Amino acid sequence: GAVVSQHPSWVICKSGTSVKIECRSLDFQATTMFWYRQFPKQSLMLMATSNEGSKATYEQGVEKDKFLINHASLTLSTLTVTSAHPEDSSFYICSARTGLAGASSYNEQFFGPGTRLTVL
Amino acid sequence: LAKTTQPISMDSYEGQEVNITCSHNNIATNDYITWYQQFPSQGPRFIIQGYKTKVTNEVASLFIPADRKSSTLSLPRVSLSDTAVYYCLVGDRANDYKLSFGAGTTVTVRA
Repeated sequence: GAVVSQHPSWVICKSGTSVKIECRSLDFQATTMFWYRQFPKQSLMLMATSNEGSKATYEQGVEKDKFLINHASLTLSTLTVTSAHPEDSSFYICSARTGLAGASSYNEQFFGPGTRLTVL
Repeated sequence: LAKTTQPISMDSYEGQEVNITCSHNNIATNDYITWYQQFPSQGPRFIIQGYKTKVTNEVASLFIPADRKSSTLSLPRVSLSDTAVYYCLVGDRANDYKLSFGAGTTVTVRA
């Protein structure tokens, strides 16, 4: 149980194009999903928190107009990197929270396999 | 946000027990301690979570002293496939349990 998938697993695009990454919870409903970015040899950096049916909350320093997040259903969140540039090349990882508020499992996050984005 | 401190790297050999200690001096009363494992180019994988004392599952044990200011992840009889980065995180209830990843501990298991 608690499986999270991402699509695509890797993508190469030209500078200036937009790329959409999907994050799905396959066997559970996720009211909250998180998006992280990881550069080579570095740790994960939280970009934004995505709640189903509401606007995403972005971490300080993350451009909300560049990284568009949509969480239209309890099993799907999407991250769109708009007008991608080479400096956006990174490993993008999503996670989903399984539990309900107040439950002991509320703070458990399960991660997707990641999406490698390369912008030429 | 409770900050964690753990060693940058550890080396071990196959069959040995690996213990990684994490310091979290500012842990709050309601915070949980969670450990994740990450292989290159993969998402982190949940290993174990605990609040106090000792927690054991099929892959690891987590020891948490009474003051909860530190915790130790114990990996019994490691194999080459346990070579990975291990992250210690403290759930931040005040921040809706967002996870703040530190540098992690790179564990290298040698034959």
